[in-house]
Amino acid sequence: GAGVSQSPSNKVTEKGKDVELRCDPISGHTALYWYRQSLGQGLEFLIYFQGNSAPDKSGLPSDRFSAERTGGSVSTLTIQRTQQEDSAVYLCASSLLGGQVDTQYFGPGTRLTVL
Amino acid sequence: KQEVTQIPAALSVPEGENLVLNCSFTDSAIYNLQWFRQDPGKGLTSLLLIQSSQREQTSGRLNASLDKSSGRSTLYIAASQPGDSATYLCAVSRDYKLSFGAGTTVTVRA
Repeated sequence: GAGVSQSPSNKVTEKGKDVELRCDPISGHTALYWYRQSLGQGLEFLIYFQGNSAPDKSGLPSDRFSAERTGGSVSTLTIQRTQQEDSAVYLCASSLLGGQVDTQYFGPGTRLTVL
Repeated sequence: KQEVTQIPAALSVPEGENLVLNCSFTDSAIYNLQWFRQDPGKGLTSLLLIQSSQREQTSGRLNASLDKSSGRSTLYIAASQPGDSATYLCAVSRDYKLSFGAGTTVTVRA
């Protein structure tokens, strides 16, 4: 079946612009995660959605970052007033049930470059 | 805060040699440990997931062990092939958040 998909695959933007990154999870997966992979920080957790529960936003680095998940499926990560330190690969993952014992399946990522 | 360390950072071996990749973590209160593979420009592919109550998991040529008390995991890849060239990441979790190591980049020479 289809895996996790993300769009765009690459995004180049100017400092100060807003960007939106999209994630389509595996059909039927109730949990969705966003991670960021940058050269200096490695791979770090950003946000977690599980069903209709309030999302865990504890990993978002600043209030310029926000995310939503519509209809329990597609998710959008929005970065406002982008800064050069936001340049990274943004990875989305989904899992069937969420929680601590579930395998997370990752998408190919969106490479964001802020000039 | 959980710290995950992977040694070595890079490894180059001739085809056919066995690979041994190490992962250590500072907080032993984990629920599971996963090994992932990442190819350049691609996302992560889950290779093995070991629950905290398990000691090892096997899949084909891959075998991963977990010693929770000492905070260590080892990934063994038998009879390496050029197609095994990739970056291997380990990640631990005590809930749904994964904490990743920096990875070991493996090159298998034909």
